[in-house]
Amino acid sequence: GENVEQHPSTLSVQEGDSAVIKCTYSDSASNYFPWYKQELGKRPQLIIDIRSNVGEKKDQRIAVTLNKTAKHFSLHITETQPEDSAVYFCAASPYTGTASKLTFGTGTRLQVTL
Amino acid sequence: NAGVMQNPRHLVRRRGQEARLRCSPMKGHSHVYWYRQLPEEGLKFMVYLQKENIIDESGMPKERFSAEFPKEGPSILRIQQVVRGDSAAYFCASSPQQTNEKLFFGSGTQLSVL
Repeated sequence: GENVEQHPSTLSVQEGDSAVIKCTYSDSASNYFPWYKQELGKRPQLIIDIRSNVGEKKDQRIAVTLNKTAKHFSLHITETQPEDSAVYFCAASPYTGTASKLTFGTGTRLQVTL
Repeated sequence: NAGVMQNPRHLVRRRGQEARLRCSPMKGHSHVYWYRQLPEEGLKFMVYLQKENIIDESGMPKERFSAEFPKEGPSILRIQQVVRGDSAAYFCASSPQQTNEKLFFGSGTQLSVL
């Protein structure tokens, strides 16, 4: 099965700085890579996703890059703000068209300090 | 359009009791997924269901755990004879019929076993 590793487990940055979270996956069949943000006590929410036919995707201050050859993908948050503080999970899935099963990383706790 | 609804929000059970967790998917969604989240860990896939069918239960413990998604009513995750190790947050997610890679999570049920 798929194995997703995520680093770092905790990350502290100053407001305005950039944050980078990295994930690797093992199954070359995986072709869908979402990122979820989970604030304390809240539900995980999808913030951005990328498919294997795309190398990079950006949405305002958030960007995700994918290197299929190396089997790794990264989340980049620029100009961090206190409200970015949360746990971020990467995930990988083979999209079969009839079913999907996400395998999640273990999460990165991001703390944005003033 | 209401989101994914889970209840109860918190559930306390004594060892040996049964726990029933309910999940109503978003309107129009016919795919339901259950995930378990242990403290400081990522989301672990348990089971994937469509109406009246279990599609993938590879993440479910072989004993004491069962899930259903009847034709009418919510999906139910049932844990019999709970043990302290079952204490966790259980999240339900749903996805639409047409595309099923984007998951919409409920707020979760925090199960505490005394």
